[in-house]
Amino acid sequence: DAGVIQSPRHEVTEMGQEVTLRCKPISGHDYLFWYRQTMMRGLELLIYFNNNVPIDDSGMPEDRFSAKMPNASFSTLKIQPSEPRDSAVYFCASSSTGGAYTGELFFGEGSRLTVL
Amino acid sequence: DAKTTQPPSMDCAEGRAANLPCNHSTISGNEYVYWYRQIHSQGPQYIIHGLKNNETNEMASLIITEDRKSSTLILPHATLRDTAVYYCIVRVVAGGTSYGKLTFGQGTILTVHP
Repeated sequence: DAGVIQSPRHEVTEMGQEVTLRCKPISGHDYLFWYRQTMMRGLELLIYFNNNVPIDDSGMPEDRFSAKMPNASFSTLKIQPSEPRDSAVYFCASSSTGGAYTGELFFGEGSRLTVL
Repeated sequence: DAKTTQPPSMDCAEGRAANLPCNHSTISGNEYVYWYRQIHSQGPQYIIHGLKNNETNEMASLIITEDRKSSTLILPHATLRDTAVYYCIVRVVAGGTSYGKLTFGQGTILTVHP
């Protein structure tokens, strides 16, 4: 399996622009997580889905952030409008409750966002 | 999820055992102890987890005290590639409102030197 795939790996944009980050989870996984990492705040859980349904979005910073999971193999995290303080590395992770569930999350390589 | 406390940094000589402590004094009976690590610029990687028994896998060993209020991750023969941030996390694995949720703290920066 290719693992969790995120795109783009790097994004540089200007303040006010819309940013869309994409994630393809591992096939068969039923949980998907979006995290954000900055030096100041560390790794923060933004939102997670179970079977494509958002379960907890309490970590989403504000209305400018939205996440969707239209099907089991794709999720997006959108920021509109973007601000410089949104600059961070955004990680997507997936996990499975099937079989011998260990609770292990598999992380992607991350999308590094820079908002100028 | 219960809060954990870890030292901010540790050093270890290559080839020696690295022992990373974690305090989780408010852990509940249905919460597991998880360890992840993050090598620079990469996504976090699962290492090991346990409930109350000691656990060992190909990467590490996990020692949990009898009262479950603390644990130690042991890398038996540390290499330079083990230099990373190590996160100790406690979470409910099944049931409860936090099922599936993994909350990271600040972790311990482990530096393995030659």
